[in-house]
Amino acid sequence: DQQVKQNSPSLSVQEGRISILNCDYTNSMFDYFLWYKKYPAEGPTFLISISSIKDKNEDGRFTVFLNKSAKHLSLHIVPSQPGDSAVYFCAASDLGGFKTIFGAGTRLFVKA
Amino acid sequence: NAGVTQTPKFQVLKTGQSMTLQCAQDMNHNSMYWYRQDPGMGLRLIYYSASEGTTDKGEVPNGYNVSRLNKREFSLRLESAAPSQTSVYFCASRSSPEETQYFGPGTRLLVL
Repeated sequence: DQQVKQNSPSLSVQEGRISILNCDYTNSMFDYFLWYKKYPAEGPTFLISISSIKDKNEDGRFTVFLNKSAKHLSLHIVPSQPGDSAVYFCAASDLGGFKTIFGAGTRLFVKA
Repeated sequence: NAGVTQTPKFQVLKTGQSMTLQCAQDMNHNSMYWYRQDPGMGLRLIYYSASEGTTDKGEVPNGYNVSRLNKREFSLRLESAAPSQTSVYFCASRSSPEETQYFGPGTRLLVL
């Protein structure tokens, strides 16, 4: 039973347009959410996070939105660049807990 | 700073063979983690060590053992490898649960 779901295995976007990656979770105990980015043959790297007391967090071109009632979060990348092409993992944990649960990932292709 | 290092980068085993995956971090982090990544499954936690001297099971611990040798090093052992353990293994570390995890580059393991 996947507690964190990324239902889109892949997404293709034109350079300069917005990329929207979605994530759903089932465990109400999660109160901290993260996005990681992974290039081939490398480990994941942290991108952006949000705690459950917020509904939005921005960092440059990246914004994460959290809808707690729907148990849904999304990552917006504006404008998308070819270098953003990677696999993006959504992850969730209870803040202060040691276990982080990851989604299956969404592969983003940004076309030049 | 090398960050999180993993050895080997790639390994082929025959069913029933044993091996140890090594992980070391130079960031003075307290907690360390072992994950496996499989297609369509995302990253799944095998074992973690909240601090030096402690280890705990994650989501998929069967078939694995771990040792937190000291604060820097956390090894993962497969006593009798099975084809189902073919995967990419990532080690990660962080200073506290409130911080994000830093990942190593991964070990690709093929069990024939």
